[in-house]
Amino acid sequence: QQQVKQSPQSLIVQKGGIPIINCAYENTAFDYFPWYQQFPGKGPALLIAIRPDVSEKKEGRFTISFNKSAKQFSLHIMDSQPGDSATYFCAASNSGGSNYKLTFGKGTLLTVNP
Amino acid sequence: DADVTQTPRNRITKTGKRIMLECSQTKGHDRMYWYRQDPGLGLRLIYYSFDVKDINKGEISDGYSVSRQAQAKFSLSLESAIPNQTALYFCATSDLGTGKHEQFFGPGTRLTVL
Repeated sequence: QQQVKQSPQSLIVQKGGIPIINCAYENTAFDYFPWYQQFPGKGPALLIAIRPDVSEKKEGRFTISFNKSAKQFSLHIMDSQPGDSATYFCAASNSGGSNYKLTFGKGTLLTVNP
Repeated sequence: DADVTQTPRNRITKTGKRIMLECSQTKGHDRMYWYRQDPGLGLRLIYYSFDVKDINKGEISDGYSVSRQAQAKFSLSLESAIPNQTALYFCATSDLGTGKHEQFFGPGTRLTVL
């Protein structure tokens, strides 16, 4: 059973556009929601993360929007650049649990054209 | 990030062979993870270890085994490789003792089973 559903699977935008990647979760015990960025030939790396006590978090051009009642969260990339082309994974976890681990979405391949 | 290293980086093997993938970290983290990445399926957890004496199965552990030889070393074995184990394998670490939940990924091992 997939606990974190991510969409779209792939996304193409022009430079300067604002790609939006969406994720939905089922487990109401989840309380930590990170986004990881992966460039070709590299391992994923943490980009930005949010906890459900806030509805939005910004770090540079990257913003997470969080809707606790809908059990959804999304990543927005402002003024996207070709260097943002990568695969993006959302994830979720119950950080207070003793058996802590991340559950990942299936990923979104983002292409930003010049 | 050279803090988490994986060997080999690429491996081609034949069906039925025993394969070991190795992971070492210099971050001093207590928790280590093995993931498998397949196109369109995202990152799936194979095994994880919260300390040297603690090993836990992830969502897709069948056909795999692990060994935590030391805090810094966590190896993944395929006892008898089969073609559907062809994938990109990632090791990751985290240090929950700091209160942070970020996982740090190695560069990956691309495994092909013929």
